[in-house]
Amino acid sequence: GQNIDQPTEMTATEGAIVQINCTYQTSGFNGLFWYQQHAGEAPTFLSYNVLDGLEEKGRFSSFLSRSKGYSYLLLKELQMKDSASYLCAFMDSNYQLIWGAGTKLIIKP
Amino acid sequence: TAGITQAPTSQILAAGRSMTLRCTQDMRHNAMYWYRQDLGLGLRLIHYSNTAGTTGKGEVPDGYSVSRANTDDFPLTLASAVPSQTSVYFCASRPRDDSGTEAFFGQGTRLTVV
Repeated sequence: GQNIDQPTEMTATEGAIVQINCTYQTSGFNGLFWYQQHAGEAPTFLSYNVLDGLEEKGRFSSFLSRSKGYSYLLLKELQMKDSASYLCAFMDSNYQLIWGAGTKLIIKP
Repeated sequence: TAGITQAPTSQILAAGRSMTLRCTQDMRHNAMYWYRQDLGLGLRLIHYSNTAGTTGKGEVPDGYSVSRANTDDFPLTLASAVPSQTSVYFCASRPRDDSGTEAFFGQGTRLTVV
């Protein structure tokens, strides 16, 4: 079967670093996505990993290990505007996206 | 740039009534999707369309129907609404259905069935 899991909620301090983990199980894999979703808004694309390793985009980085079924999103120099839910999703063998429930990130001053 | 637009943004609907949620994109994307998002659950796929003229069932299709008469429009219809269909509905599109391309989302429709 297929499943995907991420923590429900995390809290971090402004200016700090936080790592949001995502684990998945699937027989067919065509990449993993991270999206950001502010309350009451639509998800917006952050990153896509299809090969193992780290992809860096400014303050945000995403890592993938296909053999371990594991990804993480790393947010550096946290800002209050980073308070949001972070959704991970993998693309299965039919190129359909399978979504985690999202991790609500709370940033404290 | 409009991107992908949904209407209405919110609606209160009496149980048993029908309703169509509208979704239009101007990016000429082939693939379009309807998801529902409920608290504590991930986005769940209702129906999808890989190209104009074709549709398919997702994870939770019961009680919903779609059509794809052209590339731009992908309406979702609830034939007889029930309270369990209270949710936030997102329409999304991707350039193609067979590659690792990102999905673009509409702003969502918040539907309450009473």
